Amino acid sequence: KQEVTQIPAALSVPEGENLVLNCSFTDSAIYNLQWFRQDPGKGLTSLLLIQSSQREQTSGRLNASLDKSSGRSTLYIAASQPGDSATYLCAVRPISSAGGTSYGKLTFGQGTILTVHP
Amino acid sequence: DAGVTQSPTHLIKTRGQHVTLRCSPISGHKSVSWYQQVLGQGPQFIFQYYEKEERGRGNFPDRFSARQFPNYSSELNVNALLLGDSALYLCASSYDIFNSPLHFGNGTRLTVT
Repeated sequence: KQEVTQIPAALSVPEGENLVLNCSFTDSAIYNLQWFRQDPGKGLTSLLLIQSSQREQTSGRLNASLDKSSGRSTLYIAASQPGDSATYLCAVRPISSAGGTSYGKLTFGQGTILTVHP
Repeated sequence: DAGVTQSPTHLIKTRGQHVTLRCSPISGHKSVSWYQQVLGQGPQFIFQYYEKEERGRGNFPDRFSARQFPNYSSELNVNALLLGDSALYLCASSYDIFNSPLHFGNGTRLTVT
């Protein structure tokens, strides 16, 4: 059974700092890994999608890496801003799951709550 | 282009009642998935539909059911509501069921009293 863990559970940093969020998963048989942002009471906004054959993806101040062999992904946020404050979730899409295939099923971590203070 | 839209945004129901949640995918997307997010946790997979067929089911009781219509919109139905069904229900759409990214709506906040 795929399990996804995110560390730390919460992080508070001053504005301008570079920071790293960590995600680990137990089963390396995945199609891809996706990072999301969630604002309080809202839905999920997709940030980056890394295919299993890729090592990293970049979008603006965000960079996500994927190491399937070690079952790890990191989300790097450069020059953090108060507007980056949110919960960040990583999710993996497994190749197969017990009891049948669920191609589109994402398995999520519990999230990292990020607070960037001015 | 409109994103994934869900209705209603908020809902209050009593134990034992039935609820129907609705989702319209992004135009051109053929797959819709449903997730339940309890406060403080990551979303949990409920169902996935692709081309109007069920393609995946999570570990939820038979009280939960769903369907996808010819226009690719979808409904999630929950019967005999329990207090534990209180959660944010998220709908996600994607172009296909393999490597295309999922795009989520803002969810329906269901409170069961």
